[in-house]
Amino acid sequence: GAVVSQHPSWVICKSGTSVKIECRSLDFQATTMFWYRQFPKQSLMLMATSNEGSKATYEQGVEKDKFLINHASLTLSTLTVTSAHPEDSSFYICSARDVTSSNQPQHFGDGTRLSIL
Amino acid sequence: SQQGEEDPQALSIQEGENATMNCSYKTSINNLQWYRQNSGRGLVHLILIRSNEREKHSGRLRVTLDTSKKSSSLLITASRAADTASYFCATNGRAAGNKLTFGGGTRVLVKP
Repeated sequence: GAVVSQHPSWVICKSGTSVKIECRSLDFQATTMFWYRQFPKQSLMLMATSNEGSKATYEQGVEKDKFLINHASLTLSTLTVTSAHPEDSSFYICSARDVTSSNQPQHFGDGTRLSIL
Repeated sequence: SQQGEEDPQALSIQEGENATMNCSYKTSINNLQWYRQNSGRGLVHLILIRSNEREKHSGRLRVTLDTSKKSSSLLITASRAADTASYFCATNGRAAGNKLTFGGGTRVLVKP
C-alpha cells in the first residue's frame, strides 16, 4: 500500500529555534499533501493544504509566516515551524493523496511530536 | 471546523465483544472515511464508503452510511486487545473544498 514517511518523529528544542518537518510519499506521487496539528486526546485540525509547485493554502487562524510550507516536488512537502515557542508544542501529522480524485483515501505519516522548551 | 461528531467519545469493552461507534455530519459528502490511530502514531485508513453506497465490509469491520440521516457507523466484531485505539470518521465533500474534515474520535479500549 501507499506509504508516507514523516521525519523526524520526535523533536525537542529550545524556544526560538526553527524546526523543519519532512513529509515524503515513498511509492506514489502526491500533487497534494496536507498538514494537521493534533493536541492530546483531540482530533486532527487541518492547518494547510500543500500543492506541488504552488503556494500552500492555509486554514483560517493559521499563521502562514509562522508555519512555512514548501512542496517543491511530487514526493516531498516540508513544514517549518519558525521561531518556535512552547505553545507550538504539539503533534504534527502530514498526509498525501496519490490521485486527483477526491474518492481516494489519504495516506498519513506517523507524525512528529514537537516539544519546545 | 469539525463536521463529524462521533459517539461515544470513549468505549471500554471485553475482548471478543463487538464495538460500535457512530458518526454524524452536517453537509453533503462525496465519501466518508474511517481511520484508526494508535497512541502517538499516525492514522491508518480503514474503510472509505462513497455517498452512493450503504454498507461496506473489510475483515472484522463493517461500515454503514445513511445519507438521509447524515450518519455512519463503524462496527468492529469479535474485538481484540490490538483493536485498542482511537477511531476517527472523516468526511470529504465539496463544502469543505474536498478536504477531509475529521470528527472528534472515539477512544476504544479492549480489555483482555
